[in-house]
Amino acid sequence: GAGVSQTPSNKVTEKGKYVELRCDPISGHTALYWYRQSLGQGPEFLIYFQGTGAADDSGLPNDRFFAVRPEGSVSTLKIQRTERGDSAVYLCASSLVGEGEQYFGPGTRLTVT
Amino acid sequence: AQTVTQSQPEMSVQEAETVTLSCTYDTSESDYYLFWYKQPPSRQMILVIRQEAYKQQNATENRFSVNFQKAAKSFSLKISDSQLGDAAMYFCAYRNYNDMRFGAGTRLTVKP
Repeated sequence: GAGVSQTPSNKVTEKGKYVELRCDPISGHTALYWYRQSLGQGPEFLIYFQGTGAADDSGLPNDRFFAVRPEGSVSTLKIQRTERGDSAVYLCASSLVGEGEQYFGPGTRLTVT
Repeated sequence: AQTVTQSQPEMSVQEAETVTLSCTYDTSESDYYLFWYKQPPSRQMILVIRQEAYKQQNATENRFSVNFQKAAKSFSLKISDSQLGDAAMYFCAYRNYNDMRFGAGTRLTVKP
């Protein structure tokens, strides 16, 4: 079946702009995770959804970052007033249940110029 | 806070040989999971192997096996009969409930 998909694959934006990154989890997966992977680093946790609600958003670096999952499936990560330091690969993962195995998408490479 | 350390930024192995990637972690929990993920240039994180902390037996998946030393908080990955397709970044990860932490990764090169 279809895996986790993320769009766009690559996004280039100017400093100060607003961006939205989309994640389509595996159908039926109730848990969804966002990670940020900076160059030369491992993924860092941003936020976790169980269903429609953010069960843990402790990894969001500041209030410029926000994520939603209004219908419990697709999720959108929103970044306001982008900064060059936001440049990274943003990975999404989903799992059947909250503690199940996580399946990762291919990521969105965000470049802020 | 739980941390995961991979002390080898890069490793190289000859095709058909064996290589071991190191990982240590820090936690005060007794129940958790450990993982090795492979990340090729396509960026997709692929699960290689997982280990439940309560299991004493080391996990094995075909050519991949782990050496899990709970007391030492060590979790190394052994790749036997290395293949060209094994070349990638490898990340060690720790998970306790929804808290998942990754190491900085080891870049594995396989020489023909």
